[in-house]
Amino acid sequence: QQQVKQSPQSLIVQKGGISIINCAYENTAFDYFPWYQQFPGKGPALLIAIRPDVSEKKEGRFTISFNKSAKQFSLHIMDSQPGDSATYFCAAKRAAGNKLTFGGGTRVLVKP
Amino acid sequence: EPEVTQTPSHQVTQMGQEVILRCVPISNHLYFYWYRQILGQKVEFLVSFYNNEISEKSEIFDDQFSVERPDGSNFTLKIRSTKLEDSAMYFCASNFRRDTEAFFGQGTRLTVV
Repeated sequence: QQQVKQSPQSLIVQKGGISIINCAYENTAFDYFPWYQQFPGKGPALLIAIRPDVSEKKEGRFTISFNKSAKQFSLHIMDSQPGDSATYFCAAKRAAGNKLTFGGGTRVLVKP
Repeated sequence: EPEVTQTPSHQVTQMGQEVILRCVPISNHLYFYWYRQILGQKVEFLVSFYNNEISEKSEIFDDQFSVERPDGSNFTLKIRSTKLEDSAMYFCASNFRRDTEAFFGQGTRLTVV
């Protein structure tokens, strides 16, 4: 019940294209859903996060869509750039809880 | 910009040896965490620490593991008798409140041979 499932495992997109990564969760107690970006040799860095009281949140080229009834959320990267090439992790937690439960990660490669 | 710093960046140790991984969280943060990431796999929670005690731990965090905040600035993870399967990247994280962003360090790559 603690799992967060992420797909796809990897993604290749042309510069200027849209990258879409999907996550599904099981635990209905989760109420905080962040996305992390990780470059090789670095720790995960928070990209954008959403709480279930909204269905969408946009920050620049990054948008989270949230479907509470389906227990799914997704990250859209618009106008993908080569500098966006990284591994992206979705995660979930109870806002008052201690631990983040991470998805399996998606390696995104943006081709110039 | 404040950051979480971890040392060393890479540690190689013999199986059965003790290792201590060190972290300096962001100075005004109150909650501290260790996560690990086995190569090619997802990031997994190990332990959270608040007010000088463990607040939550995962089933991975068995008696071989311990954490300590020895001097008010450092936060350490000790593995008493390392096993080959402990080889992973270990990330320290911290936040001011549990419902705020957790900042991660750059990680320590532990290789057990």
